Amino acid sequence: QKEVEQNSGPLSVPEGAIASLNCTYSDRGSQSFFWYRQYSGKSPELIMFIYSNGDKEDGRFTAQLNKASQYVSLLIRDSQPSDSATYLCAVKPMKTSYDKVIFGPGTSLSVIP
Amino acid sequence: DGGITQSPKYLFRKEGQNVTLSCEQNLNHDAMYWYRQDPGQGLRLIYYSQIVNDFQKGDIAEGYSVSREKKESFPLTVTSAQKNPTAFYLCASSLGTTDTQYFGPGTRLTVL
Repeated sequence: QKEVEQNSGPLSVPEGAIASLNCTYSDRGSQSFFWYRQYSGKSPELIMFIYSNGDKEDGRFTAQLNKASQYVSLLIRDSQPSDSATYLCAVKPMKTSYDKVIFGPGTSLSVIP
Repeated sequence: DGGITQSPKYLFRKEGQNVTLSCEQNLNHDAMYWYRQDPGQGLRLIYYSQIVNDFQKGDIAEGYSVSREKKESFPLTVTSAQKNPTAFYLCASSLGTTDTQYFGPGTRLTVL
């Protein structure tokens, strides 16, 4: 079983809609969860992180964490064409001895004008 | 401005040659990492270093070597033993006590 899974996409949404990106993880003891955005040919940039169950909002972005169900999601409200990118979910399992973060394969998002 | 720099941006290598990718950070981060990304795939950890003069193998260390003689610098050498080195190489760093990793702009290596 892969440690961090994401739908590869592509996920297409119309401009102005809500984009919902999902991520599941296998280590129930995981403590830290991150969302990165990666434009084609560029390096990943951190969007937000979440540690506690529930929602965390930052502008148009909302991260949702449900540890019981072992999933974390990212909602993008009022999607813009500039949001078109690959979104990487990253999880820090509890049992590693250092700051190792496991990255998912990413979901490609396309926002259609 | 604080940040992570990688050089060169593009690198071409002939088969059988060793090449070294540079990574420098001025964020005063203790931990540094090297990842490899292949088209359509996620990030795979090559090597990481928590402190100066110490580093550990990641998931795909074969054919690679690193050094960490200075806190700011974590160069990666791709040796001739790496069978399929063509990829996008990403360097990242983080504070030792926090989990958030920040990435450099990357180096795209192509073997001719």
